[in-house]
Amino acid sequence: EAAVTQSPRNKVTVTGGNVTLSCRQTNSHNYMYWYRQDTGHGLRLIHYSYGAGNLQIGDVPDGYKATRTTQEDFFLLLELASPSQTSLYFCASSDVGQANTEVFFGKGTRLTVV
Amino acid sequence: GQQVQQSPASLVLQEGENAELQCNFSTSLNSMQWFYQRPGGSLVSLFYNPSGTKHSGRLTSTTVIKERRSSLHISSSQTTDSGTYLCALDGDTGNYKYVFGAGTRLKVIA
Repeated sequence: EAAVTQSPRNKVTVTGGNVTLSCRQTNSHNYMYWYRQDTGHGLRLIHYSYGAGNLQIGDVPDGYKATRTTQEDFFLLLELASPSQTSLYFCASSDVGQANTEVFFGKGTRLTVV
Repeated sequence: GQQVQQSPASLVLQEGENAELQCNFSTSLNSMQWFYQRPGGSLVSLFYNPSGTKHSGRLTSTTVIKERRSSLHISSSQTTDSGTYLCALDGDTGNYKYVFGAGTRLKVIA
């Protein structure tokens, strides 16, 4: 089973603060994703990447940066956090290009911006 | 863009009843997954099912590509089945972006 580890699991920050959410996957998957989930909604894609140094824009990218430093590590950056970014954030990975492109998720990071 | 519609939005069952959850999509399909989201928020992958029928215990997933739909059948529901069920698909666009439906919130009462 692919392992996707997110940290921190919970974070509280102030409006205007800097936040970095970390994600590491240990199965050498090529694709990694950052999603946010808000009450009453499914998951919405923020950014994704198909390899180290690559970044693709998702469906709700405003206010977020991301960086894929290695095959294993994908970071989500909130440089001027706002209360509208209070959400549950999920990281995921997938081995695209293979017969099975199942997506594996981390346990989520609950971010509160006060 | 890709559209994923889940129905019903919410459902209440008496324990022992069956449920049929639907996921309809507007694009062609590369892959499809069903997830269960626990009340605490973590996601459990139930099925990776881009086509055909798969079974796991009391759960059955059926994806019919030509009809652009996937279903999740829960038989003999239990109170522990309560939670939110999400479908996600990667349309055959070459972007490999998984798009999620809004989910079905299931409550099973004893």
